[in-house]
Amino acid sequence: EVQVVESGGGLVQPDRSLRLSCEVSGFIFDNFAMHWVRLAPGKGLEWVSGINYNSGSVNYADSVRGRFTISRDNAKNSLYLQMNSLRTEDTAFYYCVKDASREVGWKLDSWGQGTLVIVST
Amino acid sequence: IQMTQSPSSLSASVGDRVTITCQASRAIDNYLNWYHQRPGEAPKLLIYDASNLETGVPSRFSGSGSGTDFTLTISSLQPEDIGTYYCQQYDILITFGQGTRLQIK
Repeated sequence: EVQVVESGGGLVQPDRSLRLSCEVSGFIFDNFAMHWVRLAPGKGLEWVSGINYNSGSVNYADSVRGRFTISRDNAKNSLYLQMNSLRTEDTAFYYCVKDASREVGWKLDSWGQGTLVIVST
Repeated sequence: IQMTQSPSSLSASVGDRVTITCQASRAIDNYLNWYHQRPGEAPKLLIYDASNLETGVPSRFSGSGSGTDFTLTISSLQPEDIGTYYCQQYDILITFGQGTRLQIK
């Protein structure tokens, strides 16, 4: 059974940093691309970032490029999102999501339950 | 690529046929998926490549379309179908539609 578990969310002040982690099991992690997708209060899903199976290709939404960094450790079956210079508009549930392809961008077929990030003074 | 869904919300009765549309700002072939998110739950993949039913998804769900115009249809609405539906393109990176909230009358 595929399991995707996020951690690291919490309350953080604007301009500070936070690192999200995601541990997976139940599939061969280094065969698939992974993503972070967020859901802000009262808004729809927003794709944040994606990384291919071997970290050779990474992509970001315009809203986070230059502030967020996605990475993975295939030996630890883990995905990360380093978030710097956080803004109030980054407040959201952040989902760790498995792609069905090795490269970024096909169907997102397994989702974690999400971790909540609140950016506020 | 911008994805525009309509309607933004709808209310229907159990057993009704429900249709949600999604329009891409430029042609994306069939690079289009549909997801369903119930309140408090993670999103779930329903349809991939515009018209293929994901394993385990009930057959009352179907998808169609190509190019810029796509449709998700629920043939007979069930109570567990409430929630928000999203289309997602993957022709260039990934973008989601703004969502369609579905309620039961």
